[in-house]
Amino acid sequence: QLQLQESGPGLVKPSETLSLTCTVSGGSISSSSHYWGWIRQPPGKGLEWIGSIFYDGSAYYNPSLRSRLTISVDTSKNHFSLNVNSVTAADTAVYYCGRHRSGSDQHFDPWGQGTLVTVSS
Amino acid sequence: QTVVTQEPSFSVSPGGTVTLTCGLSSGSVSTTYYPSWYQQTPGQAPRTLIYNTNTRSSGVPDRFSGSILGNKAALTITGAQADDESDYYCMLYIGSGISVFGGGTKLTVL
Repeated sequence: QLQLQESGPGLVKPSETLSLTCTVSGGSISSSSHYWGWIRQPPGKGLEWIGSIFYDGSAYYNPSLRSRLTISVDTSKNHFSLNVNSVTAADTAVYYCGRHRSGSDQHFDPWGQGTLVTVSS
Repeated sequence: QTVVTQEPSFSVSPGGTVTLTCGLSSGSVSTTYYPSWYQQTPGQAPRTLIYNTNTRSSGVPDRFSGSILGNKAALTITGAQADDESDYYCMLYIGSGISVFGGGTKLTVL
């Protein structure tokens, strides 16, 4: 059974870089059928797609966040990572990772449990 | 900027039927937007219900169904139960690798 688990610091200072990793278990990240993506949810608000990456490193980003984002993949460790630079309080959110099916079956499944990242000095 | 619209809130009686919709700020939703639907209860990760307009995810009961109604994607819950009280989100693929979530609908069962 495929499982995803987010990890990283729960507290980041303003203007610094938020870095998270999503470790995939129970399956290979090198699947040719799937992307691997990040979604976030500010407290009390809705979901926001951040971006998704293929095992070969090709990635798509939310246009509103693109200038501050880097998503990378490490197939040897079966994980992918998110970096958001120059963070502000508006980046405080629960960050989820998920397998992103591509093509006509576009959807996220499964999801990680999520990790809360707070931006504060 | 593409905005995906959902009703902020909806209520349904136990045993009743409710249809939640997912639209676009400009234009119509069709199957080529590959709409998907997610259920989220407080403190939990979202659960996938429907993808590719009307395909139920594994383990999702058949009282959840997806469709295109008019110019919107729709999620219909037939025979609503108390534990259907959740937030529901749709996601649309708008092309060029970009996906957008709607703002979510808070469903109350009472």
